[in-house]
Amino acid sequence: SQQGEEDPQALSIQEGENATMNCSYKTSINNLQWYRQNSGRGLVHLILIRSNEREKHSGRLRVTLDTSKKSSSLLITASRAADTASYFCATDARASGTYKYIFGTGTRLKVLA
Amino acid sequence: DGGITQSPKYLFRKEGQNVTLSCEQNLNHDAMYWYRQDPGQGLRLIYYSQIVNDFQKGDIAEGYSVSREKKESFPLTVTSAQKNPTAFYLCAMYRSGYGYTFGSGTRLTVV
Repeated sequence: SQQGEEDPQALSIQEGENATMNCSYKTSINNLQWYRQNSGRGLVHLILIRSNEREKHSGRLRVTLDTSKKSSSLLITASRAADTASYFCATDARASGTYKYIFGTGTRLKVLA
Repeated sequence: DGGITQSPKYLFRKEGQNVTLSCEQNLNHDAMYWYRQDPGQGLRLIYYSQIVNDFQKGDIAEGYSVSREKKESFPLTVTSAQKNPTAFYLCAMYRSGYGYTFGSGTRLTVV
């Protein structure tokens, strides 16, 4: 089944550095979304990028989408300790005829103060 | 959590017991979802509903049941048929163009 796979599985950086995480998927999509999850909490929606968009910004977040490579990246600039969390991409499975999203296994980001 | 409430936060289940997790939303969304998350893993879809009195199985529906009698409520029952129910359960609603809004989750443990 279609699935987003995040890479790397875990990432540890110093405060102030940039963090980049990637998501690959298998089939055509209509949009791709990124979410953040703090430990023991629900997921929070960060950004949605449509298949006809190549780049999107939201504050310190920058998301790119390359539909030819079936991949997306999330860049967090000037990271802070509060950015420590797991980050997930989600892709829609519209081709299956149902309206549901598939989540990847996530990238665990740790920002060291 | 932005209009969606899950309860309880922690739940303990004895062997052979059915338990029901509550999910309520007040944003008048049609689409609601239940996901299961195991430690260090992504989310797996259990059930979803896009309209009152209708719901669809997700990828891991066995051992679970749901109902959608009211638009604002989508409870999940973990039945005794679910042999490995210990997990973090997340309810969400979805709005096109805006993505999911998740509840804060229920952590279920078998004792």
